[in-house]
Amino acid sequence: AQSVTQPDIHITVSEGASLELRCNYSYGATPYLFWYVQSPGQGLQLLLKYFSGDTLVQGIKGFEAEFKRSQSSFNLRKPSVHWSDAAEYFCAVVRNTGTASKLTFGTGTRLQVTL
Amino acid sequence: GAGVSQSPSNKVTEKGKDVELRCDPISGHTALYWYRQSLGQGLEFLIYFQGNSAPDKSGLPSDRFSAERTGGSVSTLTIQRTQQEDSAVYLCASSLGGGVGYTFGSGTRLTVV
Repeated sequence: AQSVTQPDIHITVSEGASLELRCNYSYGATPYLFWYVQSPGQGLQLLLKYFSGDTLVQGIKGFEAEFKRSQSSFNLRKPSVHWSDAAEYFCAVVRNTGTASKLTFGTGTRLQVTL
Repeated sequence: GAGVSQSPSNKVTEKGKDVELRCDPISGHTALYWYRQSLGQGLEFLIYFQGNSAPDKSGLPSDRFSAERTGGSVSTLTIQRTQQEDSAVYLCASSLGGGVGYTFGSGTRLTVV
């Protein structure tokens, strides 16, 4: 079964610093990969997704992620963090079956931004 | 509608009571999902519906939990004889299917006292 690991439960960065949130997945074939953000009291907002093709994907709010098959990773990055980026970030995977299939989420990484 | 709508946004109930949580998916989305997010936990899959196919109920934690989707649109998640451990945020999502384009609602925060 597919699984997703986010090894960092909590990360603190200074505003303006760069950010990388780690995500590792476990699945034999190429999965669909997603990053979601959840602000306090809000639902989940899709930041970006990878299905195929270019392994570097651009998302909203200045985020990007790189799919590395050899490392089974899909790390999220942002060159300069803003205070408004403080939130919880979830990596997720869907089996590439062409039919509706459930998202499997990591346990999330809570990002704190210091001014 | 423009997005996935969930109601109520907050629900406080007494232990042992039944509750119903509602989800209105995006019009035309054939797939609908329920997830649960407990304090300090990740997102736990509960159930999904795809068109007229039998739902995947593999994530429902006990037989107190059930869900239905009427007319391929609105879904109701029912929790019978609520327990304190049922306290969580229940999130609904819909998509066109094919593992793409999930849109989440804002969730229902359930508190069992």
